[in-house]
Amino acid sequence: EIVMTQSPATLSVSPGERATLSCRASQSVSSNLAWYQQKPGQAPRLLIYGASTRATGIPARFSGSGSGTEFTLTISSLQSEDFAVYYCQQYNNWPPDTFGQGTKVEIK
Amino acid sequence: QVQLVQSGAEVKKPGASVKVSCKASGYTFTSYGISWVRQAPGQGLEWMGWISAYNGNTNYAQKLQGRVTMTTDTSTSTAYMELRSLRSDDTAVYYCARDDRESSSWLDYWGQGTLVTVSS
Repeated sequence: EIVMTQSPATLSVSPGERATLSCRASQSVSSNLAWYQQKPGQAPRLLIYGASTRATGIPARFSGSGSGTEFTLTISSLQSEDFAVYYCQQYNNWPPDTFGQGTKVEIK
Repeated sequence: QVQLVQSGAEVKKPGASVKVSCKASGYTFTSYGISWVRQAPGQGLEWMGWISAYNGNTNYAQKLQGRVTMTTDTSTSTAYMELRSLRSDDTAVYYCARDDRESSSWLDYWGQGTLVTVSS
């Protein structure tokens, strides 16, 4: 089973600043990686798939990069609605799909 | 618009079973699959398994093998997840999500979640 490790666990950022979230896979997942945003009491929302393709309706301030074992989600200028928990998911070697443990982006 | 609407919250005793439904609309049900993901209170996301609404193929997380069954009813565009021999650590919000029909992939639309509480 591929283990996904996200860092940091918590990221404190001021509105308008840039946020960089990392996700590392225990072995190569090629570009078969997705990112999700989850707010309290809500279902996750797909942000990025294929490591770098934005999902429908996702603002351009969200971008994904990486391949193999190292991936990054960048939020270029944090808006108030972006404070949430972010998860990465690999779907290259399944079953099972595996998720990272999440990064909480909080207001500094 | 694509929607996945799940059944309501459940309270079950240890050892019982629960069956959660997920009704799809706004797309051709048999052109996609459905994955089930659960989230224990305050915890992260755990993939439970996948079913193809196209041909009924399934794949389950190894830790749930033997306790979980995923099915679909194409006549009503509804997916079901049944979990048996419930334990307290099965207490979680259970989500269905639209997936690829051939294999598990990214999850582009999610249901609202169903809280399952296991308590004596």
